[in-house]
Amino acid sequence: EIVMTQSPATLSVSPGESATLSCRASHSVRSNLAWYQQKPGQAPRLLIFGATTRATGIPDRFSGRGSGTEFTLAISSLQSEDFAVYYCQQYNYWPLTFGGGTKVEIK
Amino acid sequence: QVRLVQSGAEVKKPGSSVKVSCEASGDTFDNLAINWVRQSPGHGLEWMGGSVPPFGTPNYAQKFQDRVRITADKSTTTAYLELRYLRSEDTAIYYCARASDEGNWFDPWGQGTLVSVSS
Repeated sequence: EIVMTQSPATLSVSPGESATLSCRASHSVRSNLAWYQQKPGQAPRLLIFGATTRATGIPDRFSGRGSGTEFTLAISSLQSEDFAVYYCQQYNYWPLTFGGGTKVEIK
Repeated sequence: QVRLVQSGAEVKKPGSSVKVSCEASGDTFDNLAINWVRQSPGHGLEWMGGSVPPFGTPNYAQKFQDRVRITADKSTTTAYLELRYLRSEDTAIYYCARASDEGNWFDPWGQGTLVSVSS
């Protein structure tokens, strides 16, 4: 099973600042990586697939980079609605696996 | 646009079974790869399994293979997750989600169903 490790567990950021979240795979997953945003009481929402492609309706302040084992999600100029938990997911291998999440909180 | 609506919360006893439903609308049901992901404080997000279009053959995570069954009723465009031999660790929110036909990322997700297992 591919283990997905996200860091940091919590990121404290002021509104308007930028944030960079990391996701590492225990084995290369090529570019088969997705990012999700989850707010309290809601289901996860797809942000990025193919490591770099924004899903429909996702603002361009969200950007994904990386391939192989190292991935990042960058959020520029954080808005109030961006404070949430973010998860990565690999879909290169069965079983599909998720990272443990990074909580982006207001500083 | 695909929409997934799940059944309501369940409270179950250890050793029993639960069946969660996920009604799909907005696309041809046969084309939908409905997957199931659960979320609990102890285990985070866990993929449990999903159907593989167009025949709907289920694909299960090995961890759950002995206890889970994924089925679908085309007449009602509803997918089902049945989990047997419930234990307290199965207390979680269960989500259905559509896997893309270009890769197994999930969009959209159902609203989630809380399953509580307690004696």
